[in-house]
Amino acid sequence: AQSVTQLDSQVPVFEEAPVELRCNYSSSVSVYLFWYVQYPNQGLQLLLKYLSGSTLVKGINGFEAEFNKSQTSFHLRKPSVHISDTAEYFCAVTSPQGGSEKLVFGKGTKLTVNP
Amino acid sequence: EPEVTQTPSHQVTQMGQEVILRCVPISNHLYFYWYRQILGQKVEFLVSFYNNEISEKSEIFDDQFSVERPDGSNFTLKIRSTKLEDSAMYFCASSKGPGELFFGEGSRLTVL
Repeated sequence: AQSVTQLDSQVPVFEEAPVELRCNYSSSVSVYLFWYVQYPNQGLQLLLKYLSGSTLVKGINGFEAEFNKSQTSFHLRKPSVHISDTAEYFCAVTSPQGGSEKLVFGKGTKLTVNP
Repeated sequence: EPEVTQTPSHQVTQMGQEVILRCVPISNHLYFYWYRQILGQKVEFLVSFYNNEISEKSEIFDDQFSVERPDGSNFTLKIRSTKLEDSAMYFCASSKGPGELFFGEGSRLTVL
C-alpha cells in the first residue's frame, strides 16, 4: 500500500521569501506523484505532476518539485511567494502498476503568506 | 477547457435522509472517483468506477453508499441514510487512466 507524509501541517512565510513544502512517500512499486492546491472554499487544482523522465518538474504559478527516488521525496518549492499563494497544498501518489488507480493524499500543508 | 462539474454545491439535510450528489465527468475520461474531505482533515478516497462497475472502494464506502452512472454522462453518489459524521466536502474526479485526476469544485454536505 502507498502512503504520503507531509511533515509540516502549517508553513507561515513572508511575501517574496522562498518556500519548500515537504512530501515523502512510501511505495513498493514505481510511482506517479502530484501536488494539488486548494484555495479557500474551492476544489483541488493540479499544480504539477511527475510521471517519468526529468526529476525536476515545473508547474503552474512558478512552483516546481523534484522527485528524489533514493530519499522517496517530492518536495515542492517556489523561489518567491506571493500573498495569493496562501492555500492548502496536498501531495498525492499513485502507481501505474500497483493495481489501483486511486490517488492517496497526504494530510496537507497550509501555506500562509504574510505581507 | 473541459472540467468536472458537481451539483449541488451545498446541501443541508436531516440525519437519516437520503442524499444524491451528482457529477458530470470530463467526456472522454474512463475512470471516475469520489473522494471526501471532512473539515480540516485530509482528502480521503471513497470509490473508483470503471467500465460500469466499482473497481475499488475504501473501508469508508460501506453499505449506505452507492454509485451509479445512469445515463453515460452523470456519475452519482448516493448516501442512503445520512449520519452526522457524513458531513464533509465530497469531490468527484475523473481521469483517462491511472494517474492525473481532474477534480470538481466539490459538494458540501451538512447533516443536521
